[in-house]
Amino acid sequence: GENVEQHPSTLSVQEGDSAVIKCTYSDSASNYFPWYKQELGKRPQLIIDIRSNVGEKKDQRIAVTLNKTAKHFSLHITETQPEDSAVYFCAALWANNLFFGTGTRLTVIP
Amino acid sequence: DGGITQSPKYLFRKEGQNVTLSCEQNLNHDAMYWYRQDPGQGLRLIYYSQIVNDFQKGDIAEGYSVSREKKESFPLTVTSAQKNPTAFYLCASSILAGGKNIQYFGAGTRLSVL
Repeated sequence: GENVEQHPSTLSVQEGDSAVIKCTYSDSASNYFPWYKQELGKRPQLIIDIRSNVGEKKDQRIAVTLNKTAKHFSLHITETQPEDSAVYFCAALWANNLFFGTGTRLTVIP
Repeated sequence: DGGITQSPKYLFRKEGQNVTLSCEQNLNHDAMYWYRQDPGQGLRLIYYSQIVNDFQKGDIAEGYSVSREKKESFPLTVTSAQKNPTAFYLCASSILAGGKNIQYFGAGTRLSVL
């Protein structure tokens, strides 16, 4: 199956700074890469995704980049706000199933 | 918060007991999934079903069983063979379309052992 690694496991940033979370995947057949945000006590929710035919996608303060050759993709959050504090999961689609990273706990310090 | 409903929110299991977690969706999604969430380990796939009356094992199926008799429902039974059942269990459903698998999650069930 697919193996997804995610780093760092925890990340603290000052409000207004940028945050970057990185993931790698093992199988070049994976072609869809979503990111989920899980706030404390809540369910994971999709925040952005990217397909393998594009290298970058932006949605307001969040962006995802994909390097197919290196098999890694990253989540970028700019101008961080306290409400960005959550656990973020990356995932890769392989054989119709999503394989998730182990999560990054992001804390934005006011 | 509609769409996928998990119940109960909290569940306690006695040693040797089987317990069943409920998952119901009204999104008309074909595929449904069960994940186990442990601290620092992300979401691990237990079972999935892509169509009614069919389901497949995920990475950590041992000690669990499922059924998919209706499109809307995908209950998970944690059997006595699962020796470490304490975890947060998430159910999800999705439609595969346009090369994407967008999963919608329930609010989860937290299972503890008495």
